[in-house]
Amino acid sequence: QVQLQESGPGLVKPSQTLSLICTVSGDSLCSGNYYWSWIRQPAGKGLEWLGRTYCTGSTNYNPSLKSRVTISVDTSKTQFSLRLSSVTAADTGVYYCARVVATSPFVFDPWGQGTLVTVSS
Amino acid sequence: QTEVTQEPSFSVSPGGTVTLTCGLSSGSVSTSYYPSWYQQTPGQAPRTFIYSTTTRSSGVPDRFSGSILGNKAALTITGAQADDESDYYCALYMGSGTWVFGGGTKLTVV
Repeated sequence: QVQLQESGPGLVKPSQTLSLICTVSGDSLCSGNYYWSWIRQPAGKGLEWLGRTYCTGSTNYNPSLKSRVTISVDTSKTQFSLRLSSVTAADTGVYYCARVVATSPFVFDPWGQGTLVTVSS
Repeated sequence: QTEVTQEPSFSVSPGGTVTLTCGLSSGSVSTSYYPSWYQQTPGQAPRTFIYSTTTRSSGVPDRFSGSILGNKAALTITGAQADDESDYYCALYMGSGTWVFGGGTKLTVV
């Protein structure tokens, strides 16, 4: 069964770029009709969809973050990444990666366990 | 940008019935938005609960059901139990491979 695992620095300085990787095991990013997505959750707050990529490298982003977010597929086709530029304290939170069915029923499943990123000097 | 609305909190007695809703700041939710629901307990990743409006994920008890009620998606718990106390988030598919999550509902069973 497919499993996802986030990894990356837990501390990022303000104005720098947050970079995370999601490693997919038990499957390939191109083995089925799936999107690969990033979602975040500030402490004590709700979930926020950041964006998604597809095997081909096509992407779509949350309009509120579009200018700062980049999601890309690794050439190995077993990892995809998130880059969020010009971070501030408001970007502190738990970041999740998830697989999303690219057709009906468009469900997020499975999810990674999440990784906490703190933006602080 | 369209916002997805959920009740911030809800309380239900053990054995009681509660309906959580998922609406749009502008317009009505229909099955075309493929509403999905996720349960999250403290410190854990979200767990897929219901998708495509009404389909329960594997292992989800049948006391949970999804529907469209009026102009909103709904998650109903019939016969609530103590371990149903969690945060519940809905997500709506907005087309072209984009989604919006609701703010979540904190359910208390007391």
